[in-house]
Formats: sequence, C-alpha cells, structure tokens
Amino acid sequence: DTAVSQTPKYLVTQMGNDKSIKCEQNLGHDTMYWYKQDSKKFLKIMFSYNNKELIINETVPNRFSPKSPDKAHLNLHINSLELGDSAVYFCASSPDSTTNEKLFFGSGTQLSVL
Amino acid sequence: GDSVTQMEGPVTLSEEAFLTINCTYTATGYPSLFWYVQYPGEGLQLLLKATKADDKGSNKGFEATYRKETTSFHLEKGSVQVSDSAVYFCALKRVSGGYNKLIFGAGTRLAVHP
Repeated sequence: DTAVSQTPKYLVTQMGNDKSIKCEQNLGHDTMYWYKQDSKKFLKIMFSYNNKELIINETVPNRFSPKSPDKAHLNLHINSLELGDSAVYFCASSPDSTTNEKLFFGSGTQLSVL
Repeated sequence: GDSVTQMEGPVTLSEEAFLTINCTYTATGYPSLFWYVQYPGEGLQLLLKATKADDKGSNKGFEATYRKETTSFHLEKGSVQVSDSAVYFCALKRVSGGYNKLIFGAGTRLAVHP
C-alpha cells in the first residue's frame, strides 16, 4: 500500500473552474502538508495541519482552501482556477510537527489550467 | 528570508562517474540541512541529513558535509549508477511559530547513462 497517496495524478481544467485534490496517508502521522512546485521546479510550502488543526498558512490566495476531516486526510480545494495555478501539487506527512522533520511525500498531482 | 540555491540541471553522467551537486543556503543561524531524492513517478524521499556544522550525512553511497564557512551542503557520490537517475532536492529546516518548515531548492535532475 502506498504510504501517502493523492488523487488525481493529472488534472486538466478550464480557467474559472473549481477543483479538489485529495490526499490520504496510512502512516499514522500527525502532521500533513501541501507543497506547490512551480514551473521552475521550486517547491514551496502552502499549508500544514497537525491533528486536523491548521498550523502553517503561507501567503496563498484565499481561493485555496485546505480541509482536514481527520488526521489521515488533507484535501485541497481550489476555487476560480487561474492560469498561474498550473503546477505540480505535492502532499506530504510527518510523524509530528516539531521534533521529526522527515517528510513522506505523495507522487504529486499535475494541474494544468487552460 | 531563508533560501536554498542548487546548481541547475540536468547533470548528465556516465555510469561509475563521480557526482557533485552543489547546494548553498542563506539562513539565520545554523539550520538542519537535508537532501531529498525524487525517482521518476514517485514522491520525494529523504536521502540524508546533517544537523550541525561539520556533520556528514550519508546514505546509499551519497555523502554531504555541512560547511558553515561556505554555507554549503554539496552532495557527492564516488560512482553513480543508472538507478541513481532522479531529481535531487536540497533543503533546510526552519522553525516557524514553533513548527517545523522545510525550505527546498529548485531541484537538480541527474541522468546517468550506461
């Protein structure tokens, strides 16, 4: 079983649409993250949740809304998609948010906004 | 703010060649440093880390030494294999609001040919 799984793997959509990316981890970790990898391959943190509570919220447009129904899931909903949202989005988890910095990543969701 | 700079790729080598991927960082103090690797179609995974100056991280034949004088953490391997073909990310850990946050470089693609 994949430790951190995210769906879909590829997402192609039109500008203005609303879409969601789902992420699940079966490692029993407390902390989950969303990272965005832009066209220049820089990987930037967007959000982090610890036991369903938001702990890191970088400067991200409020069109992006993360939701954590339980500590094993962290979904990312994006409203009114724009061309600049095209990127690869990675979900990750770690055992906790303070003592263990080892991250376990999903394989990414490539979002293309046309 | 804190940042990580890596050499641009792709790096193309023949099997058994010596590998160096340069990484330098800008940060306040002495953050923990990491190398993550992303194999094709997979998420990033931790390769090695070093938590203080002069520490050497090593794993799978790869090594990197934390050099505070040059603020560098270059990745090396004496003899690369085709299976080492991947994207390599250098990262540093920053504590933000009491929580761990990893700041990544842009990644360097390595292609090893037989």
